[in-house]
Amino acid sequence: AQKVTQAQTEISVVEKEDVTLDCVYETRDTTYYLFWYKQPPSGELVFLIRRNSFDEQNEISGRYSWNFQKSTSSFNFTITASQVVDSAVYFCALSEDDSWGKFQFGAGTQVVVTP
Amino acid sequence: NAGVTQTPKFRVLKTGQSMTLLCAQDMNHEYMYWYRQDPGMGLRLIHYSVGEGTTAKGEVPDGYNVSRLKKQNFLLGLESAAPSQTSVYFCASSRRQSSRANVLTFGAGSRLTVL
Repeated sequence: AQKVTQAQTEISVVEKEDVTLDCVYETRDTTYYLFWYKQPPSGELVFLIRRNSFDEQNEISGRYSWNFQKSTSSFNFTITASQVVDSAVYFCALSEDDSWGKFQFGAGTQVVVTP
Repeated sequence: NAGVTQTPKFRVLKTGQSMTLLCAQDMNHEYMYWYRQDPGMGLRLIHYSVGEGTTAKGEVPDGYNVSRLKKQNFLLGLESAAPSQTSVYFCASSRRQSSRANVLTFGAGSRLTVL
C-alpha cells in the first residue's frame, strides 16, 4: 500500500510565483519523520527539510516553508518567489520509528519554473 | 569529503549478463540502502543493511543480491539482468537511528540499461 502520495505530477509556474507541493502520508506509528528531497536535472538527491511527528510547528527557512498537519496527514511544502533554479523533481518521504531508517518515497512532483 | 560514491555511473548490459554496482561511503554510517528510481514511481527500496555483515530485503528485492562485507561498502549484484531492471540506482547511507530519523545521504546514481 502506498504510504506517501504526491498527487501532483507536474506544476508549471512563472518565475516569482509561489508554488505549493502537496504530500499526504499514511502510517499507524505515533512517531515518524517526514522529509522533502529535491532532485535537480543533474540527478542527485538533495535533502531539504525534516519534520518529526511530535512537532507540528510550521517553519520558514529562506524561500522554503512547510505546513505539517497531523489531523489531515499532510506535509505540504511551499517555495516562495520561485526561481528557475527551483526547477526539479521534489520528493516527499516518510520514515517510521521502527523501520531501521528506511524511507517510503512519494512518486515525486516535477516543478518547472519558466523565466 | 566524498560522501557516498557509486560506481559505475553508467552501464549497458545485455539480457542475461551479470554485474555489480559498488557503493562506498566515508562517513562511518551504520545503515546503507539501495533504491531504484523509475518514472512515476519515486524511489523504491531494493535491499538495505543495518551493519557490517547484515542485509535485508526491501520492497523490490527480486533479481538482486547484496553484500556488506565492510562497513563502508555496500554491493548490489544482478546475476542475470532483465530489461525490467533498466533503471537509475541510488545508494544511500545514514547514521544509526536514535531519537530522530537521520537524513539519508545519497550517491549520484548509476544509470543501468538492459537491452
